Amino acid sequence: DAKTTQPPSMDCAEGRAANLPCNHSTISGNEYVYWYRQIHSQGPQYIIHGLKNNETNEMASLIITEDRKSSTLILPHATLRDTAVYYCIVRVPYGQNFVFGPGTRLSVLP
Amino acid sequence: NAGVTQTPKFQVLKTGQSMTLQCAQDMNHEYMSWYRQDPGMGLRLIHYSVGAGITDQGEVPNGYNVSRSTTEDFPLRLLSAAPSQTSVYFCASSYSRGRAHSYEQYFGPGTRLTVT
Repeated sequence: DAKTTQPPSMDCAEGRAANLPCNHSTISGNEYVYWYRQIHSQGPQYIIHGLKNNETNEMASLIITEDRKSSTLILPHATLRDTAVYYCIVRVPYGQNFVFGPGTRLSVLP
Repeated sequence: NAGVTQTPKFQVLKTGQSMTLQCAQDMNHEYMSWYRQDPGMGLRLIHYSVGAGITDQGEVPNGYNVSRSTTEDFPLRLLSAAPSQTSVYFCASSYSRGRAHSYEQYFGPGTRLTVT
């Protein structure tokens, strides 16, 4: 599975959009991009995933560049409850294991 | 559905003691796994199982044993606890190959283990 690079921390004002970048320049053609988050000390929670098209669900939007070497997770209206560590992971769709790096610690500020 | 449950929530062990961390899921998922998370770090895979009777090692398997006698349960055994095993342990489950796109792993609440 390809490796990813994320900034260690970011701040965002409450109510504004939070844009979390991820670099995955060695991604293979059959690898998907997944995003999870971990709030405080809870177990990680699935957010969204995509292959090459932009994706949106009730939690977030995922924008993948045309060359698929990077992506951005967008939380459109961040709230204090979105303060968490966000993990970007790339893997094949039927792969068994997720490899969690250190992620990005997002702090949503009042 | 209760999802993924883990017991105990907290545990303190002395060096050399053994114990079993329990994990159960009621979603009929084939795939289950154990991760550990040290302070400020991401999760590291200890062991995983693709179905009852089948287990395999992950990134950091030393000092841990697993077995999978049923689909629902996947206990993690610490054979002889060491201070380096102080960590938070998470169990997870998901569908496996051929059943569905296994994009979502469901995680338990974690067990916080301290070894003194």
